[in-house]
Amino acid sequence: AQKITQTQPGMFVQEKEAVTLDCTYDTSDQSYGLFWYKQPSSGEMIFLIYQGSYDEQNATEGRYSLNFQKARKSANLVISASQLGDSAMYFCAMREGRGNQFYFGTGTSLTVIP
Amino acid sequence: EAGVTQFPSHSVIEKGQTVTLRCDPISGHDNLYWYRRVMGKEIKFLLHFVKESKQDESGMPNNRFLAERTGGTYSTLKVQPAELEDSGVYFCASSLPGQGARDLDSFFGQGTRLTVV
Repeated sequence: AQKITQTQPGMFVQEKEAVTLDCTYDTSDQSYGLFWYKQPSSGEMIFLIYQGSYDEQNATEGRYSLNFQKARKSANLVISASQLGDSAMYFCAMREGRGNQFYFGTGTSLTVIP
Repeated sequence: EAGVTQFPSHSVIEKGQTVTLRCDPISGHDNLYWYRRVMGKEIKFLLHFVKESKQDESGMPNNRFLAERTGGTYSTLKVQPAELEDSGVYFCASSLPGQGARDLDSFFGQGTRLTVV
């Protein structure tokens, strides 16, 4: 079974608007971490934000926030005030407490329109 | 401080040939991971080294793939003989000894785009 599901292959957003990228996950572990990475056209994977399974508050990092709904097993990324430089592929990932590897989704390609 | 470095950035080879990908992790990072993304699909785990030892190689697709990390420094991933379905982007990541799920210090390389024709 897929551990991370991203259902939006591509998204468009107007510059300065907010956008939500969806991510759902599947795990039986109580301890896990959820991550979002950005991959621009240059190829590198850039860490954006992290949410721990025991964290009660949603994580925020600048214009990025993670809408964590544990009961629904969702970890959506919200980007506020989109910028042209936000155009990239975005990957949701999970790491379970008992392992070290990441499980990734298929990614969402975000295009910011001027 | 240098990040995770991968060589080459791109490689185009013919079916049946051999290709070797290299990953130089961040100095001092005992953990080294290989991942692969086939076009349009998720990034999938291939294997995990702790120093020079293979901790988990459950993601290796078949015996045409051989990963080594001699001396616990850089790692190579050899594909021999390459097949069309091996095309994709191969990522390497490294980290310090882990803190489990809360370990945030994983750094990725820029990837090697492999095309088998």
